[in-house]
Amino acid sequence: AQTVTQSQPEMSVQEAETVTLSCTYDTSENNYYLFWYKQPPSRQMILVIRQEAYKQQNATENRFSVNFQKAAKSFSLKISDSQLGDTAMYFCAFEYGQNFVFGPGTRLSVLP
Amino acid sequence: DTEVTQTPKHLVMGMTNKKSLKCEQHMGHRAMYWYKQKAKKPPELMFVYSYEKLSINESVPSRFSPECPNSSLLNLHLHALQPEDSALYLCASSQETGSQGTQYFGPGTRLLVL
Repeated sequence: AQTVTQSQPEMSVQEAETVTLSCTYDTSENNYYLFWYKQPPSRQMILVIRQEAYKQQNATENRFSVNFQKAAKSFSLKISDSQLGDTAMYFCAFEYGQNFVFGPGTRLSVLP
Repeated sequence: DTEVTQTPKHLVMGMTNKKSLKCEQHMGHRAMYWYKQKAKKPPELMFVYSYEKLSINESVPSRFSPECPNSSLLNLHLHALQPEDSALYLCASSQETGSQGTQYFGPGTRLLVL
């Protein structure tokens, strides 16, 4: 069974600084998808970024980028120039087949 | 349009009530999902529908009954719930199941069972 681990339950960062959220996963599969989702307080879960495992190039979306290390089964999220609106719960997620697994989440607070 | 809508936003029900949660998407997605999310926890998958057929039931108690009337709609019928069923219920959709990627989530229905 696939598992997803996020070792940082809570993190904080100063506005305009850079922060990296960690995610590791366990799978025996070779082709799969990885995601970072953001869930602001009392608001909707939205996709931040996604990575196909067969692509070596790390995905980027504006201020968000990932460091995907397939051999190490690591998928960290870097947020540059942090903004107050980035305050949220961040979930790392894994998909293979119909199996979609979320990590336990990291609560990120961006401080003014 | 990447919108998934859910109604109602909030629901309070007694343990003897029958109620339904509704979810709708118009993105042409063929897979739809129900999740349960407790406070400060990740979503837990309950059901997956693929092409309007139930493909995954994660051992959910029978007091939760899903229904997919058509490719755009997904319902969750609730009956004889327990207080521990109080949670945020999220609906999501994706193009297909099977490593096709992104799930788009609705805003959720916050359910309180008294």
